[in-house]
Amino acid sequence: GAVVSQHPSRVICKSGTSVKIECRSLDFQATTMFWYRQFPKKSLMLMATSNEGSKATYEQGVEKDKFLINHASLTLSTLTVTSAHPEDSSFYICSASQVDRETQYFGPGTRLLVL
Amino acid sequence: AQSVTQPDIHITVSEGASLELRCNYSYGATPYLFWYVQSPGQGLQLLLKYFSGDTLVQGIKGFEAEFKRSQSSFNLRKPSVHWSDAAEYFCAVVNTGGFKTIFGAGTRLFVKA
Repeated sequence: GAVVSQHPSRVICKSGTSVKIECRSLDFQATTMFWYRQFPKKSLMLMATSNEGSKATYEQGVEKDKFLINHASLTLSTLTVTSAHPEDSSFYICSASQVDRETQYFGPGTRLLVL
Repeated sequence: AQSVTQPDIHITVSEGASLELRCNYSYGATPYLFWYVQSPGQGLQLLLKYFSGDTLVQGIKGFEAEFKRSQSSFNLRKPSVHWSDAAEYFCAVVNTGGFKTIFGAGTRLFVKA
């Protein structure tokens, strides 16, 4: 089956620093990748959708200058949390889909803790 | 607006008992419907999906779901629950236009011995 990896699995950083999270599709080409944020005991909130080679589309209320998304290749998308603050602490999950886009394959998630 | 409702925040069932998790959606046309399972601290695993055709869909781990258009429902079922099924279950809808996924709030399943 389609496998999506995320790195790192967890990260702790100081307030004010930037953190980059990688999302890779290991055995398929992901034309579209999605980034979600999940608060404790809550559902997933879509942050942005990115298509390879083009700018990401951000959901309403998501600061694109704070959450930088790059989808430089068909197997890699990155989410950079810039100038992280404690309120950015969360579980970030990416997913990837192929050309049909109906089915998304999810990564294992990245736990971010900002001190 | 599209929405997904999972009425039960949590459910407790005995091991070996049957399970039904409810999901209702609001969408103008027939959407693509999904059920995912999430273990603590993990990503989401796809259990099954419905696009069209037979309204009873079989998934992995012995799960099945039935699409009922008249009730706008897509309930997940399993005839005999195992302790390893304890997890969070999410119902999701994907619109057939923009391929944006809307998740329900999730149902936490507890399995007692």
